[in-house]
Amino acid sequence: DTGVSQDPRHKITKRGQNVTFRCDPISEHNRLYWYRQTLGQGPEFLTYFQNEAQLEKSRLLSDRFSAERPKGSFSTLEIQRTEQGDSAMYLCATPDRDGGYTFGSGTRLTVV
Amino acid sequence: QQPVQSPQAVILREGEDAVINCSSSKALYSVHWYRQKHGEAPVFLMILLKGGEQKGHEKISASFNEKKQQSSLYLTASQLSYSGTYFCGTVPDTGTASKLTFGTGTRLQVTL
Repeated sequence: DTGVSQDPRHKITKRGQNVTFRCDPISEHNRLYWYRQTLGQGPEFLTYFQNEAQLEKSRLLSDRFSAERPKGSFSTLEIQRTEQGDSAMYLCATPDRDGGYTFGSGTRLTVV
Repeated sequence: QQPVQSPQAVILREGEDAVINCSSSKALYSVHWYRQKHGEAPVFLMILLKGGEQKGHEKISASFNEKKQQSSLYLTASQLSYSGTYFCGTVPDTGTASKLTFGTGTRLQVTL
């Protein structure tokens, strides 16, 4: 139990379809981060929230990507018109009491 | 801009020691270290803040050379459970809260 729940764990979708992932921190955190990780690479920053406000977005986040955190608790990441290059592990993270990040188990997206 | 880690990969026999280095081109506020096992989320090991402190965590310790913007992770008397990919993550010294940028990763395999 990592303290951050992500759903679904796996998603296979056809190219061109829309997908939405959800991140639920178990306890309240002001900050919430989304990262993307491809095979053999380190996680790459996508975006982060301070409460409901989306404060920073990576250039990796094209117009097809949108993220929300409507009540400052859970967050969703939507990808529209998916492409094969979107295939990756999408990780959500929150700060932990030791100063690091606690990551969720991630959503593995496969676009076919 | 991504921190560079060395070596890229290392194989150890159980009980041997290893050092993993992380180098950044930017002035840093903090360095994080994470271990990620195959198919799992990264797990936070420790954080080092500007000031050059050295931290310890059982047989895993780390140092941060602020002048060189380098950090090293020391694994002593390695155990099979240490196997995985190690990532450093850096936060730049910009004076504001900022995202973590992960390094290139070091794959560590501990064998009997």
